[in-house]
Amino acid sequence: SQQGEEDPQALSIQEGENATMNCSYKTSINNLQWYRQNSGRGLVHLILIRSNEREKHSGRLRVTLDTSKKSSSLLITASRAADTASYFCAFLSGGGADGLTFGKGTHLIIQP
Amino acid sequence: SQTIHQWPATLVQPVGSPLSLECTVEGTSNPNLYWYRQAAGRGLQLLFYSVGIGQISSEVPQNLSASRPQDRQFILSSKKLLLSDSGFYLCAWTRGRENEQFFGPGTRLTVL
Repeated sequence: SQQGEEDPQALSIQEGENATMNCSYKTSINNLQWYRQNSGRGLVHLILIRSNEREKHSGRLRVTLDTSKKSSSLLITASRAADTASYFCAFLSGGGADGLTFGKGTHLIIQP
Repeated sequence: SQTIHQWPATLVQPVGSPLSLECTVEGTSNPNLYWYRQAAGRGLQLLFYSVGIGQISSEVPQNLSASRPQDRQFILSSKKLLLSDSGFYLCAWTRGRENEQFFGPGTRLTVL
């Protein structure tokens, strides 16, 4: 199956700075989703952007989608130590009940 | 509200032993259910999904099997574990067409 690719694989920034993570994919999609995973825990859904949307906001999160470039970015503004986690993009490319296709994730570390 | 449970939380099993991991969902009916495996430092690999009782779709041929004996119960099994079966197993559910998924806390399986 087509796997998404996040970039960078790891990111370390100071608290208060903005963090940007990117995701690329190869197939056409219905929607793209971002998830967060704290160490050793399950994934938590953050935000979903549909293929006909270009930008979406949720609190300190901003997601963009460029279907022509087959890429998406997740921006976390004013980062906090609690934002330290792995972030995964996932996309739905079929119309059925198939599971999502996940990228390998970006590990984000917020330095206090 | 909906909740999803997985047990056990951790499991250490010898090679060749059987496996049974259980996932249950509360607060919803007729969910789509998914089993994923996450290897260390990697993204999620979809193993099985189910759209109803007794209906199982397999994504990757391997040493594992799944069953759905009840509407909100999903079981992952193996008759004989391999070393390569070690990993973090996550169960998820969804109901919407957009496949926004809600994950359980996961089971850490170590095969020795």
